Amino acid sequence: EAAVTQSPRSKVAVTGGKVTLSCHQTNNHDYMYWYRQDTGHGLRLIHYSYVADSTEKGDIPDGYKASRPSQENFSLILELASLSQTAVYFCASSRTGQAPLFGEGTRLSVL
Amino acid sequence: GQQVQQSPSSLVLQEGENAELQCNFSSTATQLQWFYQSPGGSLVSLLSNPSGTKHTGRLTSTTVTKERRSSLHISSSQTTDSGTYLCAIDRSTGNYKYVFGAGTRLKVIA
Repeated sequence: EAAVTQSPRSKVAVTGGKVTLSCHQTNNHDYMYWYRQDTGHGLRLIHYSYVADSTEKGDIPDGYKASRPSQENFSLILELASLSQTAVYFCASSRTGQAPLFGEGTRLSVL
Repeated sequence: GQQVQQSPSSLVLQEGENAELQCNFSSTATQLQWFYQSPGGSLVSLLSNPSGTKHTGRLTSTTVTKERRSSLHISSSQTTDSGTYLCAIDRSTGNYKYVFGAGTRLKVIA
């Protein structure tokens, strides 16, 4: 069964700390994405990747890095977490011509 | 400015009533998706409809590409339809980088 698994599901981080959000897909999809959702808003694209070992900037990349060491894994890294990065983060994967399949989300609170 | 605008922002229906959700976009869309997000949950794709009319179950989507608008009609609403409906467009060809609207929050009461 196609799946996108995110970890952790929730996290509390301190301002200035490093946070790594992980995403694993078992769908054999080429494309992977990281989005953030703020309360009452739609999703905004942070980073995405077409292929392993390559990442691209999305619409709001500042303050975030991404890493795709394999086709199955895609990480989002906050080197210096800030209050403004409190949000729900969604990972997704897709194949050419198909709608993305989303993970369950990671709720991040930066204090 | 915002590239995808959805209306209404929220909607309350009695069970059995129909709903009409609107999506207007300011850029050319090569792909258009409607998603459902359960309360506090993840997103599920409902329909892909870059042009024309498509049906699935109680859902009908109509997209008029040259007018840059799409609608999602939900017939005979049920309490389980409650949640947020998101419209997303892909502005480019081949990248599948979706831009999302803020969504319509639907509540169906028994």
